[in-house]
Amino acid sequence: GQNIDQPTEMTATEGAIVQINCTYQTSGFNGLFWYQQHAGEAPTFLSYNVLDGLEEKGRFSSFLSRSKGYSYLLLKELQMKDSASYLCAVLDSNYQLIWGAGTKLIIKP
Amino acid sequence: NAGVTQTPKFQVLKTGQSMTLQCAQDMNHEYMSWYRQDPGMGLRLIHYSVGAGITDQGEVPNGYNVSRSTTEDFPLRLLSAAPSQTSVYFCASSLQGAEANVLTFGAGSRLTVL
Repeated sequence: GQNIDQPTEMTATEGAIVQINCTYQTSGFNGLFWYQQHAGEAPTFLSYNVLDGLEEKGRFSSFLSRSKGYSYLLLKELQMKDSASYLCAVLDSNYQLIWGAGTKLIIKP
Repeated sequence: NAGVTQTPKFQVLKTGQSMTLQCAQDMNHEYMSWYRQDPGMGLRLIHYSVGAGITDQGEVPNGYNVSRSTTEDFPLRLLSAAPSQTSVYFCASSLQGAEANVLTFGAGSRLTVL
């Protein structure tokens, strides 16, 4: 079966750095997405990786290793507004998205 | 530019009742989809459409119907509501193509079935 694993919850301090991991086992791979979802709101797109390596976008970076079935989202200079759930999703061989359950990130002052 | 508009935002139904969740997008996206989101689980695809007149089943289609008569609209119909359909429903759209699968989501519809 297809599986996406992420930690259920993480806590970090304002101003610090946090890394949210995502491991996947899917039938084929056509890219990995990260979405942010604030409580009670819709998911919004953060990043897309299809090749190995690090993609940097402001305070957020996303890393992919296809050989290890592994990605992480790195958030720097954490702000209170970064408190949200972060969803990892993989596009499989049929170009269907397989979603992880999400990681709830709690930022403390 | 409104993006993806879903209505209603909240709905309470009794078991056996039927209803339609509305979804409209104004971005000329070919691809539209319906997901449900339940605690502790990833988003699960209910139905999707790659263009007007074309629909297909996702991972959890039972108990739901869809139609796509126009590019803009993609309503989701619950035929006979059951408590297991209590969930938050999201409509999402995107341009066609693999790399264009960046989804734009509606604000969500929270459904409770008693």
